[in-house]
Amino acid sequence: EAAVTQSPRNKVAVTGGKVTLSCNQTNNHNNMYWYRQDTGHGLRLIHYSYGAGSTEKGDIPDGYKASRPSQENFSLILELATPSQTSVYFCASGDRGRDTEVFFGKGTRLTVV
Amino acid sequence: QQQVRQSPQSLTVWEGGTTVLTCSYEDSTFNYFPWYQQFPGEGPALLISILSVSDKKEDGRFTTFFNKREKKLSLHIIDSQPGDSATYFCAALMATGGNNKLTFGQGTVLSVIP
Repeated sequence: EAAVTQSPRNKVAVTGGKVTLSCNQTNNHNNMYWYRQDTGHGLRLIHYSYGAGSTEKGDIPDGYKASRPSQENFSLILELATPSQTSVYFCASGDRGRDTEVFFGKGTRLTVV
Repeated sequence: QQQVRQSPQSLTVWEGGTTVLTCSYEDSTFNYFPWYQQFPGEGPALLISILSVSDKKEDGRFTTFFNKREKKLSLHIIDSQPGDSATYFCAALMATGGNNKLTFGQGTVLSVIP
C-alpha cells in the first residue's frame, strides 16, 4: 500500500524561527505536494515537485520554500515562521497521469507562537 | 480566487438518509474530478472520481454526478451511516503533460446521526 510519512506530527515554533517539515514516500511516485488545511479554505497547495531536484510554486507559496533532494523526500521550509502559518500541513505523492490517485500523509500540526 | 467552490460547509443527516454534496468550478480545462474523504487525525483518502467524459460514476453507496455544461458536480451517499461521518473534499485537476496539480474545494463536514 502506498505510504507517505510526515515528521514531526506536531510542532510548536517561535515566531521568527526556522521550521522544516519533512516528508518521505515509498511509492516511487514522481510528483509530491505540500498542502495546508485551514477551516473554510480546504486544502491549499503551497509547493509541489515533479521529481528530484525540481520544485514549483503552488497557489500560496509566500513565506515557504521547498526542497526535493531525492525521489523519496520532499521538505517544506519556513525560514521565518509567523503566527499566520499556524495550520495543519499535508504532504502527498502521486504518479503522472490524469486520473492517478494522490496519497496523503497523516499531517503535521504546526503552531507558531 | 477560489476555483472550486463546495457546499454546504457542514451537513447533518439521519442514519439511513441520503447525503448530497455539491461543487462548482470555473476553469473549463479541468478534466478529472476526485472526491476525497478525511477522518479526524488522518490525511484525505480518495473516495471516488470521475472524468469529464462521463456524467455518472457509482461505487456502492457512493455516486458522483458531473454536469459539464453547468460546471458542477455532486456526491450522493445513499443509506448514510454513522461511519460516513467525515470531511469530504471535491477536487479538480487539469493534467498538463502528465504533471498533475489538484485544486480542492473548501470541504464539507458531514455528521450522520444514529
